[in-house]
Amino acid sequence: QKEVEQDPGPLSVPEGAIVSLNCTYSNSAFQYFMWYRQYSRKGPELLMYTYSSGNKEDGRFTAQVDKSSKYISLFIRDSQPSDSATYLCAMSVPNTGNQFYFGTGTSLTVIP
Amino acid sequence: NAGVTQTPKFRVLKTGQSMTLLCAQDMNHEYMYWYRQDPGMGLRLIHYSVGEGTTAKGEVPDGYNVSRLKKQNFLLGLESAAPSQTSVYFCASRQLAGESTDTQYFGPGTRLTVL
Repeated sequence: QKEVEQDPGPLSVPEGAIVSLNCTYSNSAFQYFMWYRQYSRKGPELLMYTYSSGNKEDGRFTAQVDKSSKYISLFIRDSQPSDSATYLCAMSVPNTGNQFYFGTGTSLTVIP
Repeated sequence: NAGVTQTPKFRVLKTGQSMTLLCAQDMNHEYMYWYRQDPGMGLRLIHYSVGEGTTAKGEVPDGYNVSRLKKQNFLLGLESAAPSQTSVYFCASRQLAGESTDTQYFGPGTRLTVL
């Protein structure tokens, strides 16, 4: 079993829809949870960052962490064609220098 | 600040040739990483460094070597390229673990094709 599981999609939605992206994980020691956005032929860029459990909101984006279920989500409200990208979740254990654990990414297309 | 930069952006090699990929960061980060990204495989860690003069193996280190002679630079070498090393390579740097945030910042990538 992989440390982090993410549905690869692809996911296709109409403009203005609410998008829900999810990851599950197995390591209860994860404390830092991140979402990266990767446009085609570009490097991943940090989109959202959350420490431990709870919600975090930034404009149209909301990140949720449910540590009891080992489940994290990213919600995109009023989705735009510019949101079309691959979204990767990532997690890490505090004070370990070696590795982040990434999901394989979910490909999202927002249709105008 | 330029953040994380990678050189070159594209490269085509023949089997058996060697090359070095350069990563540079101007954020004074201690940790640096080399990943490869292949379709359906996600990001896989090749090697990483927790400080100047240190390196360690990641998930897929075979066929690669690295060096971190200066804090701001992390080099990835392919001594004898193979078609299986055709991939997109990303470098990332990270703030020192234990601070209030913990995230990696990625470069734009190097597209490598080995014929």
